Amino acid sequence: DAGVTQSPTHLIKTRGQHVTLRCSPISGHKSVSWYQQVLGQGPQFIFQYYEKEERGRGNFPDRFSARQFPNYSSELNVNALLLGDSALYLCASSYSRSTLETQYFGPGTRLLVL
Amino acid sequence: AQSVTQLDSQVPVFEEAPVELRCNYSSSVSVYLFWYVQYPNQGLQLLLKYLSGSTLVKGINGFEAEFNKSQTSFHLRKPSVHISDTAEYFCAVSGSFFGNEKLTFGTGTRLTIIP
Repeated sequence: DAGVTQSPTHLIKTRGQHVTLRCSPISGHKSVSWYQQVLGQGPQFIFQYYEKEERGRGNFPDRFSARQFPNYSSELNVNALLLGDSALYLCASSYSRSTLETQYFGPGTRLLVL
Repeated sequence: AQSVTQLDSQVPVFEEAPVELRCNYSSSVSVYLFWYVQYPNQGLQLLLKYLSGSTLVKGINGFEAEFNKSQTSFHLRKPSVHISDTAEYFCAVSGSFFGNEKLTFGTGTRLTIIP
């Protein structure tokens, strides 16, 4: 079975632009979470979506938004990009929203903001 | 809220030597604990997790960890490391009750194996 896939793998944007990152979960998984990993740091939780509804939100500004589609894939949108948004964005999927279930991570999208 | 502290940012170890990567957590509620590994240019892979029961947890690739509630620690150990263990290791914690499922990660420990 295919694992979690993310697109694009790399992205370069300039300050003020908008970006959309995409994630396809493992087949059968209904929960998708997004994390930001700044260079040299651990991943930080941004959002969790389960059954197309936001179930959790981390300490990120409103410039960050996300949604989950009927096929459980997800998009993360970031508006008005800042230099500090440069990071590896990780998507993780699991069958349910509970952390009893293992979260499987994708390879990430590396975003560079110039 | 939960937090995780990984005191060692880098750990060099000779091949076939034992290793311990330290993790301490802070939480006002009961927690689940995890260790993830990140190989260069890859996503995170779950090594092992503690949910309840036996405090000694065995994971993949010969790793194990011990949950110590009194010391709020969850240290990762391997008796004999290999070159292929070179990677970044992250300890993570989540609340164990409904509505507090997000993972909170530490800053990571870079394990370097010396031939």
